[in-house]
Amino acid sequence: GAVVSQHPSRVICKSGTSVKIECRSLDFQATTMFWYRQFPKQSLMLMATSNEGSKATYEQGVEKDKFLINHASLTLSTLTVTSAHPEDSSFYICSASSGANTGELFFGEGSRLTVL
Amino acid sequence: AQKVTQAQTEISVVEKEDVTLDCVYETRDTTYYLFWYKQPPSGELVFLIRRNSFDEQNEISGRYSWNFQKSTSSFNFTITASQVVDSAVYFCALSGVNNNAGNMLTFGGGTRLMVKP
Repeated sequence: GAVVSQHPSRVICKSGTSVKIECRSLDFQATTMFWYRQFPKQSLMLMATSNEGSKATYEQGVEKDKFLINHASLTLSTLTVTSAHPEDSSFYICSASSGANTGELFFGEGSRLTVL
Repeated sequence: AQKVTQAQTEISVVEKEDVTLDCVYETRDTTYYLFWYKQPPSGELVFLIRRNSFDEQNEISGRYSWNFQKSTSSFNFTITASQVVDSAVYFCALSGVNNNAGNMLTFGGGTRLMVKP
């Protein structure tokens, strides 16, 4: 089946630094990628929708200047957490869609961010 | 707006018991998809099933079965003869196809299943 790879799986950083998380679709072209955030013992909440070659659409309450999303190619989307703070510590997970509304989408393995 | 409700936040059973995880959804879309995912402690989401809104047939896959009742907007998941390895958080999710956003999922709150030996 289709594979979405997310990297890094775990990252620990100091407060104030920026962290980049990559999401790659390995065997299909992902016209749309979604970024979710999951705090401990909570559900997954959509942060933003990114379409290749255009600006991401952010959900209400998500700071677009803090969570920079780039979807420069059909196989790669990146999420950069800028000036990370301890409250940004969370599990970030991406999903990718080929764009056809078939209900088919694929999740990355997730990235666990810990900000000290 | 779409909404998925998993009323059971935590369930604890003893191995070999059957357990049903409830899922109720709300959507205005006429065509939509329903999903179940398993999330073990490692964090990755393991896909279990995708069901089209026009297909109300129940499905069985090994010890897993799903009951889709459109009349009550429910998509319940049953594990028969539970095993310790079934311990995880299970998420029910909903995707609409008319939102011009591809396949964005709305997740339920999740049900933490603990299967004790």
